[in-house]
Amino acid sequence: EVQLVESGGGLVQPGGSLRLSCAASGFTFSTFGMNWVRQAPGKGLEWISYISSSRSTINYADSVKGRFTISRDNAKNSLYLQMNSLRAEDTAVYYCARDVRETSSWRVDYWGQGTLVTVSS
Amino acid sequence: QSVLTQPPSASGTPGQRVTISCSGSSSNIGTNTVNWYQQLPGTAPKLLIYRNDQRPSGVPDRFSGSKSGTSASLAISGLQSEDEADYYCAGWDDSLNGWVFGGGTKLTVL
Repeated sequence: EVQLVESGGGLVQPGGSLRLSCAASGFTFSTFGMNWVRQAPGKGLEWISYISSSRSTINYADSVKGRFTISRDNAKNSLYLQMNSLRAEDTAVYYCARDVRETSSWRVDYWGQGTLVTVSS
Repeated sequence: QSVLTQPPSASGTPGQRVTISCSGSSSNIGTNTVNWYQQLPGTAPKLLIYRNDQRPSGVPDRFSGSKSGTSASLAISGLQSEDEADYYCAGWDDSLNGWVFGGGTKLTVL
């Protein structure tokens, strides 16, 4: 059974930093790309970053480019998101999600339960 | 403002058929496949439809998807109370180099 478990969320002041982790199990982590997707309170889903299985491709949404860094450790089956220069508008539940890229079918299929990040003074 | 456009709400009575639309552009839906997600209150999104019209294992055949040009739609037939949720369309955008989502449609079962 695929499991994704996020951790590291919490309350942080504006301008501060936080590092999120996602522990993966139930599949061969090193063969899948991964994403971070967030959801502000009462709002819709917003993709923020993707990293390929080998780390050769990394993409960011403009809203976080230059402030957030995605990384992974395939030996530890873990995905990370380093968040710097946090703003109030970064307040959201952050989900890690598995990425599948097959011919003519790309999808984000499994999602973790999410971790809440609150940016407030 | 979401890249993909969905109606904010939809509703139906038990047993009815409802459809939810999703409009995009040539850089996303026009070029790539569409996925749909169901998010029940207080839970993570769940993949409902992928590759425009494919259902993952375990998803009832009451749920169906279609795509034409730069638009897609999700249909739910035989509406049930447990279908009350938020529904999101999504696709890869070649210009933005990232996943784009619709703003979500809140389905109410009357």
